[in-house]
Order: sequence, then C-alpha cells, then structure tokens
Amino acid sequence: AQKVTQAQTEISVVEKEDVTLDCVYETRDTTYYLFWYKQPPSGELVFLIRRNSFDEQNEISGRYSWNFQKSTSSFNFTITASQVVDSAVYFCALSPDTGANSKLTFGKGITLSVRP
Amino acid sequence: DAGVIQSPRHEVTEMGQEVTLRCKPISGHDYLFWYRQTMMRGLELLIYFNNNVPIDDSGMPEDRFSAKMPNASFSTLKIQPSEPRDSAVYFCASSSGVLTGANVLTFGAGSRLTVL
Repeated sequence: AQKVTQAQTEISVVEKEDVTLDCVYETRDTTYYLFWYKQPPSGELVFLIRRNSFDEQNEISGRYSWNFQKSTSSFNFTITASQVVDSAVYFCALSPDTGANSKLTFGKGITLSVRP
Repeated sequence: DAGVIQSPRHEVTEMGQEVTLRCKPISGHDYLFWYRQTMMRGLELLIYFNNNVPIDDSGMPEDRFSAKMPNASFSTLKIQPSEPRDSAVYFCASSSGVLTGANVLTFGAGSRLTVL
C-alpha cells in the first residue's frame, strides 16, 4: 500500500520568509514517482514537479526547490523569499512507476498562508 | 488549448436526485481521471480511463456512482440517488503518458456538489 504523510497542516509566514513543506512517503514499489501539486484559492490543482525514484538530485526552479532523500523517504519542498501569491494548499503525491499512467496517492495537503 | 473543462461548476440538489457531472479533457490526452475532494478524506481517485476504457474503478464508493466515457472528448460521472455525504468537489483530470509524462495531470476547475 502507498501512503503520503504531510504532517504540517497549516503554515503561516510573512512575505520574504523562506518556508519548507515536508512530505514523507511509504511504498513497497522499487520504482515510483513523487509529485507536488499546488491548489490556489481558485480551486484547480496545478502540477509543479515530478521526480522519479532513481533521480535523487535536488531540483531548483526559480524560488522553488525540492529535496528528495530516499534514505528518509522524504520529498520536501522549499519556497525561498515567499510571496503572497504563494498562498495555496500544496499536495505531495506518489505513484508507482508502471511505465504508464496509474493511481496517484495524495497527502492531505498543507495550507500555506503568506502575509504581506 | 482551453484546458480541462468541467460543468457544472456548482450544483445544489436535494437528497435522492440524480446528479450528472461532465468533463471535456484536453485534446490528445488519452487518460482521464475523476477525483473527489473532501475535508475529511482529502483527494481520492474514483476512477480512471485509458483510451475511453475504464482501467481502475476501485475508488468508486458504491453502486450509486457510475462513470462513462463514450468518446475521447467527453466523460460523465453520475450519482443516482444522491446523498448528503456525496457533497464534495469533484475534479476531472487528463494526461498523456507520451505528451506529458506519466501521471502529470492537468486538472479542471472542479464541480462543487452540495446535496441537501
């Protein structure tokens, strides 16, 4: 069975602060994908990143960075110099790597509020 | 592309009534997913299709729920009869393993269902 745990439920920061969103996963699959999705107040979910279990390199995209550590089964997401527009619910997700689309298991989400 | 189109955006109905939610996926995407989001259970996969064929419907809560995909550009999720516990936001999402990579989903804006 697959499980994604996002222990933080709500985080509030002041603009320009750095913030890290934690994600811990459980899976018996040897290969798998990890994801982050963003759900802004408008409601739709927006894809941010996909990481294959073979690739433990950290990734940086502008103010966003992701730290994948297989040894601790974690895939954490850091926003540097947060902005009000970053306010959203952030979901971590996991799927088996079957070579095709398959079931995504989502965490419960972390509500991030960035205050001006 | 206009993205994944869902209708209606909001539906309020009375217990016992039939509800039909509609989805138009992104042209060229061969996978279509129906998710349900509630505060208690988070995001749950209900069913997904590949090339219009249902692949996994293990998340469909009970026989009151049914989903169809008569062609590549249209899918419906039907609840009959509806119950108050069906109140949730229902998301449709589509993807293409070839065009976007496995499990990189594009979500619609969601249909918020309230059953009184």
